[in-house]
Amino acid sequence: GESVGLHLPTLSVQEGDNSIINCAYSNSASDYFIWYKQESGKGPQFIIDIRSNMDKRQGQRVTVLLNKTVKHLSLQIAATQPGDSAVYFCAGPSGNTPLVFGKGTRLSVIA
Amino acid sequence: ETGVTQSPTHLIKTRGQQVTLRCSSQSGHNTVSWYQQALGQGPQFIFQYYREEENGRGNFPPRFSGLQFPNYSSELNVNALELDDSALYLCASSLGPFGTGKLTNEKLFFGSGTQLSVL
Repeated sequence: GESVGLHLPTLSVQEGDNSIINCAYSNSASDYFIWYKQESGKGPQFIIDIRSNMDKRQGQRVTVLLNKTVKHLSLQIAATQPGDSAVYFCAGPSGNTPLVFGKGTRLSVIA
Repeated sequence: ETGVTQSPTHLIKTRGQQVTLRCSSQSGHNTVSWYQQALGQGPQFIFQYYREEENGRGNFPPRFSGLQFPNYSSELNVNALELDDSALYLCASSLGPFGTGKLTNEKLFFGSGTQLSVL
């Protein structure tokens, strides 16, 4: 099965700076990944996804990069705002579960 | 905001009791998945329901059971509650079941969860 994990449990960035959150996965056959944002007291909220036939995908202020060679993906948030403060999870499907989640990275934005 | 709604939002039970949590899926979604999220951890898959039948189960004991109804809504039942069952229980809906090769089915939309405390 798949396992995903994040490199850092916490990340602090200055408001206006760019944030980079990293994630590693174990299964080289994994073909789909999703980034979720979870604010306090809420469920995970879909941010952006990427399929394994892509290296990069951009959304509004967010970019996901996928490096299949080293089984690594990252979420980049441009011009980080206080509202971006949350826990971020990468997730991917496994053979026997819909999505496997990592432990998450808590992003704190310093005003 | 997704269209997935869960009730109740908070619940306090004592050890040994039974609990039922409810979930309504997003419009157009026929599949419901349940996850358990302990404090400081990522969500852990409990099971998924599609066409009113269990379609995949994580590493949870049989005292965790579920139902799906014809309108695609779902219930999670937990019997003989233990202290370690204290967690946020998340329901997610999707366009279809996982494992079919359709990546769009793997995209889960979550509700806000039910916070269960077992004393």
